[in-house]
Formats: sequence, structure tokens, C-alpha cells
Amino acid sequence: SQKIEQNSEALNIQEGKTATLTCNYTNYSPAYLQWYRQDPGRGPVFLLLIRENEKEKRKERLKVTFDTTLKQSLFHITASQPADSATYLCALYNYGQNFVFGPGTRLSVLP
Amino acid sequence: DGGITQSPKYLFRKEGQNVTLSCEQNLNHDAMYWYRQDPGQGLRLIYYSQIVNDFQKGDIAEGYSVSREKKESFPLTVTLAQKNPTAFYLCASRVNTGDMGGELFFGEGSRLTVL
Repeated sequence: SQKIEQNSEALNIQEGKTATLTCNYTNYSPAYLQWYRQDPGRGPVFLLLIRENEKEKRKERLKVTFDTTLKQSLFHITASQPADSATYLCALYNYGQNFVFGPGTRLSVLP
Repeated sequence: DGGITQSPKYLFRKEGQNVTLSCEQNLNHDAMYWYRQDPGQGLRLIYYSQIVNDFQKGDIAEGYSVSREKKESFPLTVTLAQKNPTAFYLCASRVNTGDMGGELFFGEGSRLTVL
């Protein structure tokens, strides 16, 4: 069966450390994968997109990797800040289909 | 400012009532989507529309209906047939690039509670 999972429901890290969030999928062949940030009671906001033929993408303190062999994407936030506390969603896009979302990881950055 | 507006933000429904959630966008996007979000689950697709006057069922369309009479508007009706309608509903749009990429732009959501 098709499945998309994010490593943990919640992740606590200390301010200044690097947060690493994992997105794993099975039985999909995504054209690309996206990461979104969602604050409580708000709609998700797009952060980064990485295509199937790309290994890594960066944007300021954010980095995304994509390994289609492992069927996994890693999302890193370096020098994390309390303002980075939110739920992070991964979403993959299958050719000719629509987006499929993971359940999200709630990140808490502790001061 | 361009964006997506959902209303109402909070809605309480009594048993036996249909309710309609509004979604309006001024981004000139062709594609619009409705998702449902429940705690601990990913966003699940209810309906989507790639062009005006056309829409398709998503993964959990039962108990819902939509219309797309204008490019800017994609209202969702939660009907009596929806057995468990209490949830957070999100509307989104994007440029219709098909497989070429493009992110989803989301509204702020509507939280529906059945009393």
C-alpha cells in the first residue's frame, strides 16, 4: 500500500542546534517533494521544493535532501530559533496525480 | 495583496444542517483544492478543480459537494451525508503547471464543529 510517514509526531531541540526532520514514503514515484510550515490554527506555508533528479536544495537556514533510492527526504533547520517552532509537513507530488501529505512533525525549539 | 480568503474561520453546525465554506482567491490561479485536516493525520484531498466548470473527486469526497462557476471561487458544502464533519478545512490554489512544479497557496482554514 502507499504510505507517507514523518519520523516523529513531535521533536524537541535546544536553540542553536540543527533540527532534522524525516519524511519516508513507500510505493510512490514522486516527481517532486515539498516542505511546508504550519502554525497552530493557520494554513500551511510553502518552504522548499526538491525534484526527483536533485539531491539537495538550500534556502537560508533550511536544507532539504531527497534520496529516491531510500525513498526519503530530510529537512534541516540550522541554528534553530524558538520562532522556528511549528509543525512541518512534507508533501509529494506523483506524476499525473495530486499532492499527498505526511502527518507532520511538531517541532519545538527550546530557549 | 494577493491571497486566498476562507470564511468563516469558525463554524458550528447542528445535526441536520448542510453548511457551505467559502473560498476566494485573487491570485489568478487555475487550480483550486479542498483539504480536510484531522489531528495526527496528513491533509486529505476532498475535491479539486483544474479549470472553471470542472472538478474532480479527491480521496474523501463522500458527503461533500463543490462548484466552480468562477475562477476565483470554489465553495465547499458539507452535506448531511458526511458522518464525521468536525475538522479543520483548508482551501488551496496553485498555478496549473501539472507535473512541472509549483507550490500550493493555502487559506487560513475553517474549523467546523458539529454540535
